[in-house]
Amino acid sequence: DTGVSQNPRHKITKRGQNVTFRCDPISEHNRLYWYRQTLGQGPEFLTYFQNEAQLEKSRLLSDRFSAERPKGSFSTLEIQRTEQGDSAMYLCASSPSGYGYTFGSGTRLTVV
Amino acid sequence: GIQVEQSPPDLILQEGANSTLRCNFSDSVNNLQWFHQNPWGQLINLFYIPSGTKQNGRLSATTVATERYSLLYISSSQTTDSGVYFCAVDRHTNAGKSTFGDGTTLTVKP
Repeated sequence: DTGVSQNPRHKITKRGQNVTFRCDPISEHNRLYWYRQTLGQGPEFLTYFQNEAQLEKSRLLSDRFSAERPKGSFSTLEIQRTEQGDSAMYLCASSPSGYGYTFGSGTRLTVV
Repeated sequence: GIQVEQSPPDLILQEGANSTLRCNFSDSVNNLQWFHQNPWGQLINLFYIPSGTKQNGRLSATTVATERYSLLYISSSQTTDSGVYFCAVDRHTNAGKSTFGDGTTLTVKP
């Protein structure tokens, strides 16, 4: 058990470019979550999966955001046509059903 | 949606002191978690405590779901306890969409 792994750790991109982040959860955890955190705030929910099914998606997640979890293993979060307001820390967490989260170290996105 | 308020927003302690952090929530919840975010940004799960009391070393937590609050106690604080403490609540039976408070920033001075 190596914990929740997120890649890359940092990403700097130009406005209008597409970016993709990857999350590898703890292998026996069937639930996977994406959150976004900006400076001075608590994490905000984006979406979560149970196995490969995306069960809920926040209204914060505009049409430019998409997340997948093929085969119920790793997950990717893609942001298309990035905007400066997308700059944030993107956090992934996993858990067994009905138990607490284990967070990864996050991917810090800076849109210039 | 559910509102989560944490108090105090900031807390400065001398090493060895005790403290109590509070989390109030606006609606009934089925799950509650406490996290510590260290100065490097890593979020560590301290407690999964939808109700009752749990203890882990110098930390303990109590959730009174019927009165819509939870308390996190830190005893004999150490400099490594510094960071931001978040409370997160979920209205569903299984943790899915959790709502986080804005956190309490704790600074422990040597």
